[in-house]
Amino acid sequence: NAGVTQTPKFRVLKTGQSMTLLCAQDMNHEYMYWYRQDPGMGLRLIHYSVGEGTTAKGEVPDGYNVSRLKKQNFLLGLESAAPSQTSVYFCASRVRGGSGRSNQPQHFGDGTRLSIL
Amino acid sequence: DAKTTQPNSMESNEEEPVHLPCNHSTISGTDYIHWYRQLPSQGPEYVIHGLTSNVNNRMASLAIAEDRKSSTLILHRATLRDAAVYYCILRDTNAGKSTFGDGTTLTVKP
Repeated sequence: NAGVTQTPKFRVLKTGQSMTLLCAQDMNHEYMYWYRQDPGMGLRLIHYSVGEGTTAKGEVPDGYNVSRLKKQNFLLGLESAAPSQTSVYFCASRVRGGSGRSNQPQHFGDGTRLSIL
Repeated sequence: DAKTTQPNSMESNEEEPVHLPCNHSTISGTDYIHWYRQLPSQGPEYVIHGLTSNVNNRMASLAIAEDRKSSTLILHRATLRDAAVYYCILRDTNAGKSTFGDGTTLTVKP
């Protein structure tokens, strides 16, 4: 059981380049999330999705776009990379749950380390 | 979103209990309290969660204040492998999103 897999693990970009980070989960989870983590800081939510075909903005959505065309995949795009987007990006997923639906834990990937020069 | 406040860092000796505090004075009635930890160069790992009652699992215990404005994560016997950043977060019921703070860096001394 692979859980949450992020691709690639490392990447170096030049300012202005574009790229897509892929998150794949094999647990049939409805909810998926993209976070960024800057050195010495906690995680900040970029975008999230509560189901296939739906996405929503988090705390720091500017400069990023996302798509959830398939339930198991959540893509994070940088259209024109900027040095301020240098960070570690984490993807997470969780099951919707029952009546107390907010009580299900998130499962995280190992992160993508992105440097923008 | 309701916010949490945690000390920046704490130290513990190996094999001693550790009590990690978290304040969440603006918690709403349906917010669950979740704890995660993050080891170096890894993604966060779920530890425990609760709503009103104290909770125990194989990793830790969670003590929740009666007014729910604070909680404490208890590691009964700290090991060197417990050295990590511990995050206390509140789960937004409606949208399912969570806000992470900066967490508490736990150092365990042998």
